[in-house]
Amino acid sequence: GQQVMQIPQYQHVQEGEDFTTYCNSSTTLSNIQWYKQRPGGHPVFLIQLVKSGEVKKQKRLTFQFGEAKKNSSLHITATQTTDVGTYFCAGRHSGAGSYQLTFGKGTKLSVIP
Amino acid sequence: DAGITQSPRYKITETGRQVTLMCHQTWSHSYMFWYRQDLGHGLRLIYYSAAADITDKGEVPDGYVVSRSKTENFPLTLESATRSQTSVYFCASSADTQYFGPGTRLTVL
Repeated sequence: GQQVMQIPQYQHVQEGEDFTTYCNSSTTLSNIQWYKQRPGGHPVFLIQLVKSGEVKKQKRLTFQFGEAKKNSSLHITATQTTDVGTYFCAGRHSGAGSYQLTFGKGTKLSVIP
Repeated sequence: DAGITQSPRYKITETGRQVTLMCHQTWSHSYMFWYRQDLGHGLRLIYYSAAADITDKGEVPDGYVVSRSKTENFPLTLESATRSQTSVYFCASSADTQYFGPGTRLTVL
């Protein structure tokens, strides 16, 4: 089946350090979405990337979509304790008729003050 | 208030019992989804629905039943609960991006 691989599974950083999580799909994606889940909470939509090579920024967060539309990354500059949580990528595969997303397993970010 | 709600938020049941998890959204989104979240597995799709009376299996549908008689409701039933169905269950609705409910933490003893 269609899969989206996400690495790393866990990341511990000192506050102020940068953080990156990567997603890779074996097939071309029509778009990719990123979600954040705080501890004990539910996933919350962050951003959607649609175009090949697209780069979007939200304050300290930078999202990239690969040229081949098979991979994506989320980079956080100068992490803060408020960044703690699990970050999921979710891809919609080309040709999919529904709004079904395939989620990566997530990267759990811990920030040491 | 508009949004997506789930009930109950916590449930403890015994093996073999039938359990129904409720999901209600007020946006009139056509698409709704049920996921389970387990450590090491991320979010796995159980069932989804494209509209009232239209449902389809996801990645892990065995042991679950869904119905959607009204656009706003999408209940998930465990017909005979097993310990392996202990999990956190999230409902979501979608108009392109997905909006998740707060989740139901289910424990099967």
